[in-house]
Amino acid sequence: EVQLVESGGGLVQPGGSLRLSCVASGFIFSNFHMHWVRQAPGKGLEYVSAISPNGDDTVYANFVEGRFTISRDNSKNTMFLQMGSLRAEDMAVYYCVRHDAYGSYDYWGQGTLVTVSS
Amino acid sequence: DVVMTQSPLSLPVTLGQPASISCRSSQSLVHSDGNTFLNWFQQRPGQPPRRLIYMVSKRDSGVPDRFSGSGSGTDFTLKISRVEAEDVGVYYCMQGAHWPTWTFGQGTKVEIK
Repeated sequence: EVQLVESGGGLVQPGGSLRLSCVASGFIFSNFHMHWVRQAPGKGLEYVSAISPNGDDTVYANFVEGRFTISRDNSKNTMFLQMGSLRAEDMAVYYCVRHDAYGSYDYWGQGTLVTVSS
Repeated sequence: DVVMTQSPLSLPVTLGQPASISCRSSQSLVHSDGNTFLNWFQQRPGQPPRRLIYMVSKRDSGVPDRFSGSGSGTDFTLKISRVEAEDVGVYYCMQGAHWPTWTFGQGTKVEIK
């Protein structure tokens, strides 16, 4: 059974940093692109970042503006999102998602909540 | 970025009646490989999204056959043939044709009248 489990969310002050993790199981992690997608409270879904299977290629949404870094450790079946210079508008549930072969997201984690507030 | 526009944004429906959600993209979703990468997700209250449909009309395993997807190019539709109580939630279309930035529609909230 495919499972994606996020952790690392919490309360952080504006301008602060946070590192999210996503542990994957039930599939060959190193074969798949992985993404982060976020959802602000009461709002819709928004693509954040993506990483290639071997970690060599990364992509970010325009709003990231160099503040976030996506990475992965295939030996530990884990993906990360290092977030810095956090703003109020970054407050959201961050989902770890698997990118399948059909231009889609076939599996989602339960999400981890990031709260940015003083 | 490709803009995905859903309508309506709110859809009150009667149990047992059909429902239909439209999704339009600002660019064609036909990929260079000839496939069309349009997806539909359901998000029940308090839950992460769950994929229902991929590549316009392919239903995921375990998705009831009352859900169907159709369309081509830039116009797509999700239909629920007979709405059940468990269908309450927000439905999103998403394009996966234009890498590297995949985009979602605004979401359509389905509720029971």
